[in-house]
Amino acid sequence: RKEVEQDPGPFNVPEGATVAFNCTYSNSASQSFFWYRQDCRKEPKLLMSVYSSGNEDGRFTAQLNRASQYISLLIRDSKLSDSATYLCVVNVYTDKLIFGTGTRLQVFP
Amino acid sequence: GAGVSQSPSNKVTEKGKDVELRCDPISGHTALYWYRQSLGQGLEFLIYFQGNSAPDKSGLPSDRFSAERTGGSVSTLTIQRTQQEDSAVYLCASSFVLSGGPLDTQYFGPGTRLTVL
Repeated sequence: RKEVEQDPGPFNVPEGATVAFNCTYSNSASQSFFWYRQDCRKEPKLLMSVYSSGNEDGRFTAQLNRASQYISLLIRDSKLSDSATYLCVVNVYTDKLIFGTGTRLQVFP
Repeated sequence: GAGVSQSPSNKVTEKGKDVELRCDPISGHTALYWYRQSLGQGLEFLIYFQGNSAPDKSGLPSDRFSAERTGGSVSTLTIQRTQQEDSAVYLCASSFVLSGGPLDTQYFGPGTRLTVL
């Protein structure tokens, strides 16, 4: 079983839609959680950290469920510019991040 | 300010040749990471440098791969006797990490696209 698993997608949604991605992790000792965004042929960039209490940044909401070992990302009012691959990232060992393979989102007009 | 830079941006080489990839991290960042990403795949951790500590080489796929970090700054990833399966984008990232402190954001460079013919 992979340490971090994501549905690869693609998720094809119209502008204005709400879309949610889930990610599961295998190591219950995982400490920190993040969502990174990667545009086509570009480097990954931090989208947001994921806190135990859940957190929101504009149209983006991240949640953590430690009991079930999954993380979610909700995007409301999707924009064309949201089209990208979203990487679920987990800190398992100190200073080292484990990346999921990503979920591809395509927003169409 | 300047971000993480990598060179070359693209490298085409013949099977069996050695290649060197360079990473210049953000000034002041203590931690430096190398990853590789094959087409349609996730990021594969290769090696991690933190300050003066011994590097974490647990992700290096074979002894053909090695990396150095000189003066706590610039890093070079060397692949000897390249094989076709080494073709990938090699990404470098840096972050500021205090020993025992929380994990900080990793900032990625644009990557080096390596093609082994």
